[in-house]
Amino acid sequence: DAKTTQPTSMDCAEGRAANLPCNHSTISGNEYVYWYRQIHSQGPQYIIHGLKNNETNEMASLIITEDRKSSTLILPHATLRDTAVYYCIVRLGGSNYKLTFGKGTLLTVNP
Amino acid sequence: GAVVSQHPSWVICKSGTSVKIECRSLDFQATTMFWYRQFPKQSLMLMATSNEGSKATYEQGVEKDKFLINHASLTLSTLTVTSAHPEDSSFYICSATNAQRNNSPLHFGNGTRLTVT
Repeated sequence: DAKTTQPTSMDCAEGRAANLPCNHSTISGNEYVYWYRQIHSQGPQYIIHGLKNNETNEMASLIITEDRKSSTLILPHATLRDTAVYYCIVRLGGSNYKLTFGKGTLLTVNP
Repeated sequence: GAVVSQHPSWVICKSGTSVKIECRSLDFQATTMFWYRQFPKQSLMLMATSNEGSKATYEQGVEKDKFLINHASLTLSTLTVTSAHPEDSSFYICSATNAQRNNSPLHFGNGTRLTVT
């Protein structure tokens, strides 16, 4: 699996958009970009994933650059409950492919 | 949405005893489940891949005789920590994906906090 690089931490004001970057310059053509988050003492929560096109769901938007070497997770209106560690992971599709977690980005949403 | 249930959510045991952790996919079938371990202030580390009806695949450095995995059905995998020691105290998390939906993401249980005294 391709490795990813994320900032160690970020801050965001409540109500504002949180934009979390991720670099994955060695991504291969059949690898997807997945985003998960982990709130303290809980299991990771799936947020969104994509291959080439930008994706949006009820939680967030995922913007993938045309060369697929980087992506941005956007939380449009951050709340205090969005404070968590956010993981960007590159993985092959299919049910039997593992997720390899890096250190992620600690997003702190401030009042 | 896909739900993965883990039980128990926390357990305290004495050194030398064994502890079993259950991971269930509640509304889908999972041919493959993954077991992770997380120490304080660290990221999740994959321990093993649990395959329904066959032997689990363990990551390098994980003792298969100490961490017994059984995946007897499409909705249940168990991890047994045998002869537990205080250094086995950790947060154990399982994950699964819907084998019947192409490119379905992995979903995680809420973890089991194991404390060995």
